[in-house]
Amino acid sequence: NAGVTQTPKFQVLKTGQSMTLQCAQDMNHNSMYWYRQDPGMGLRLIYYSASEGTTDKGEVPNGYNVSRLNKREFSLRLESAAPSQTSVYFCASSEVGATNEKLFFGSGTQLSVL
Amino acid sequence: GENVEQHPSTLSVQEGDSAVIKCTYSDSASNYFPWYKQELGKRPQLIIDIRSNVGEKKDQRIAVTLNKTAKHFSLHITETQPEDSAVYFCAASSDQTGANNLFFGTGTRLTVIP
Repeated sequence: NAGVTQTPKFQVLKTGQSMTLQCAQDMNHNSMYWYRQDPGMGLRLIYYSASEGTTDKGEVPNGYNVSRLNKREFSLRLESAAPSQTSVYFCASSEVGATNEKLFFGSGTQLSVL
Repeated sequence: GENVEQHPSTLSVQEGDSAVIKCTYSDSASNYFPWYKQELGKRPQLIIDIRSNVGEKKDQRIAVTLNKTAKHFSLHITETQPEDSAVYFCAASSDQTGANNLFFGTGTRLTVIP
């Protein structure tokens, strides 16, 4: 099992450009998440999907959209990137039908917006 | 929403000494409190968690304590080793959203000096 796989690992964008971060898990998890990590601010939830077909906003959803394409895949889109979106982005998943369970994280995407 | 505060932000200890990291939370409905360890350039990984029906949990050199009345929980690492050097994040969640909607603290950078 690969676990949680996210791509790309690094990306540099110019202000106003768009891009999609891809995430896939092979653990049959129901729930998937997108977090951003900024120095001194910990991990903040952008969007999550409790199950296939549902998505909900987290703490910091502005400027982002998500798609739960199927049970395996959960993508994060930046329609018009801004320098404030420079961050490390982590996708995560948690077990089928469970709440309050271990999060499995992807390896992260380092995004710079110039 | 939930607010998790974590202290200290940095901590240096001599190898073999103990380290304690403390967190407070605001939402009395929170009932799950995990701790994640993130080594430099790596993904966060769960090291221990505690639920609100217990006051303490141990796993070898790591222990977590929870005081529900005071709304604080702590991570204790005994006999520290250089490989314990990392950033540690506490988090809190309730199961009311139907997903593992974790709120993270801002992290503690632990350095173990050989």
